Amino acid sequence: NAGVTQTPKFQVLKTGQSMTLQCAQDMNHNSMYWYRQDPGMGLRLIYYSASEGTTDKGEVPNGYNVSRLNKREFSLRLESAAPSQTSVYFCASSEIFLGGGSGNTIYFGEGSWLTVV
Amino acid sequence: AQKITQTQPGMFVQEKEAVTLDCTYDTSDPSYGLFWYKQPSSGEMIFLIYQGSYDQQNATEGRYSLNFQKARKSANLVISASQLGDSAMYFCAMREVASNNAGNMLTFGGGTRLMVKP
Repeated sequence: NAGVTQTPKFQVLKTGQSMTLQCAQDMNHNSMYWYRQDPGMGLRLIYYSASEGTTDKGEVPNGYNVSRLNKREFSLRLESAAPSQTSVYFCASSEIFLGGGSGNTIYFGEGSWLTVV
Repeated sequence: AQKITQTQPGMFVQEKEAVTLDCTYDTSDPSYGLFWYKQPSSGEMIFLIYQGSYDQQNATEGRYSLNFQKARKSANLVISASQLGDSAMYFCAMREVASNNAGNMLTFGGGTRLMVKP
């Protein structure tokens, strides 16, 4: 029962380098998300994909791009890393919310620790 | 404006006692959901409990219960019989339908660090 899998778990980048965080889920969920968590703070939404083929900006999208490669995979790319992007990144997935009050758990990966020096 | 507010940055509780972690929220959407997640020092986010806006009864999951007061827009987490393993960060989060009505949005509070004393 893998759930949501993120790679890499740890990465150190130099300012200006690029990298891609990979995320895959095996629960056949339609919606996927990328969050960042800065020290001592809650998670903030970077981008989300409500369904395969769609992506939308979240609260803090600047400096990032995403690709919903297929239903399972949702990648996050840093084109030119900056020290301000040092953070822990979480990928998550859920079924599409269709309305009403039914429970709908959102599942998180274990996080990717990124340091930009 | 802050949508999810957790006013307690840190709390101590004695082992075996109950503790309440506060959460208030702000939304104009009549349909929403409230989550609590636990984040231990290892970093992963662990789902604890969920309350839907239309649910008539307060949610309970083992030692976790959610004190949902809709009129006050509060959704406090109650942990009964605290254990040393409960020491962690706890996040309250609200699920709303995205503006394009196509999926979930989950907004997090700033978290409360709970420390259980032996």
